[in-house]
Amino acid sequence: EAGVAQSPRYKIIEKRQSVAFWCNPISGHATLYWYQQILGQGPKLLIQFQNNGVVDDSQLPKDRFSAERLKGVDSTLKIQPAKLEDSAVYLCASSLGISLGQNYGYTFGSGTRLTVV
Amino acid sequence: KQEVTQIPAALSVPEGENLVLNCSFTDSAIYNLQWFRQDPGKGLTSLLLIQSSQREQTSGRLNASLDKSSGRSTLYIAASQPGDSATYLCAVRLGGSYIPTFGRGTSLIVHP
Repeated sequence: EAGVAQSPRYKIIEKRQSVAFWCNPISGHATLYWYQQILGQGPKLLIQFQNNGVVDDSQLPKDRFSAERLKGVDSTLKIQPAKLEDSAVYLCASSLGISLGQNYGYTFGSGTRLTVV
Repeated sequence: KQEVTQIPAALSVPEGENLVLNCSFTDSAIYNLQWFRQDPGKGLTSLLLIQSSQREQTSGRLNASLDKSSGRSTLYIAASQPGDSATYLCAVRLGGSYIPTFGRGTSLIVHP
């Protein structure tokens, strides 16, 4: 099966500019996650979708970050305006389901490395 | 709030050694625990998923154990090889939560 696809792989922008990342999950995976991984740290969940609805976005800095998952498949994550501290790898992951009766693992994409200068 | 700690933070060993990586968590009411591997500049690759009802999982040279009562999981790597060099992360999902919590990882270097 094809994996989780992300683009672009790398992005360098100046602070205060905007940037968007794209993710295509594994076919049939209802749940999609966006993580932020700062160098030397574990991934931190930004937002979680179940189909096209948001399950949890409590750690998403909503003043500058936004995400959508139209039609319950692909997703985009946007940062506007970017700050220096947003420099990180942004990882997308997908899973078959999240309900408590389902015990699935997660499949991650290769990530987008963002550098804000 | 669940906290996940991985020890050691970094490890450098000669090829052929058997290794133990540790993951500890503060809330034992977990749903599952997953070990991942991350190569530099890459995403995470799932290695092993242990359900809360299981004590261990094995895949090739890898064996992961889970002791919920003590809040610990170990990843055992047998006969390490240079190709095992990577960062190993554990992620814990609490019962009743949809959000897995990651540790900071153990950076492993296996030198020839």
